Amino acid sequence: TQLLEQSPQFLSIQEGENLTVYCNSSSVFSSLQWYRQEPGEGPVLLVTVVTGGEVKKLKRLTFQFGDARKDSSLHITAAQPGDTGLYLCAGAHGGATNKLIFGTGTLLAVQP
Amino acid sequence: KAGVTQTPRYLIKTRGQQVTLSCSPISGHRSVSWYQQTPGQGLQFLFEYFSETQRNKGNFPGRFSGRQFSNSRSEMNVSTLELGDSALYLCASSLLGQRNEKLFFGSGTQLSVL
Repeated sequence: TQLLEQSPQFLSIQEGENLTVYCNSSSVFSSLQWYRQEPGEGPVLLVTVVTGGEVKKLKRLTFQFGDARKDSSLHITAAQPGDTGLYLCAGAHGGATNKLIFGTGTLLAVQP
Repeated sequence: KAGVTQTPRYLIKTRGQQVTLSCSPISGHRSVSWYQQTPGQGLQFLFEYFSETQRNKGNFPGRFSGRQFSNSRSEMNVSTLELGDSALYLCASSLLGQRNEKLFFGSGTQLSVL
């Protein structure tokens, strides 16, 4: 059972456009992380959000954790070809471990 | 500082065989986690090791096993391979394996079962 659904699954946009990726769940997570994975590589952590309603900015990327800690979004402003990759959200439940539940993924292609 | 190293990068096996994958974590990291990535199921947690002990396990059959050595290097083994085991196997390391700690992933081992 996939606990974290991402939408859209695929996104192909032109350089300079804005986009938003959504990560939704029926479960509450104690924290949520966003990763980007490029072909032939492992995922690389972009951000961790831990508080409901939290907003974090990383240059042109804005991450939000839902108030109820069941959903999150990633907004990219003025996308660049270097943003191309697979974006994954990953949630952690309570407890001390670092076990993550990964989302279904959003494959983003930014055309120059 | 060297990153997480996984060997081999590619493996081709046939059904019924067994396979061993290796992971060397970042120096000083004591927690090693393994994930399976497939197009259909995405990334799924296999297990996590800390100080040579399996601390957490995902929902995979007993054919999937692992171990960790005193130098924190880890191996995972899959016995009696099935076609559905074809996947990218990713290893991730962190300092102590605590919640919200940054995970560093290796580039993975691409396993193809024919």
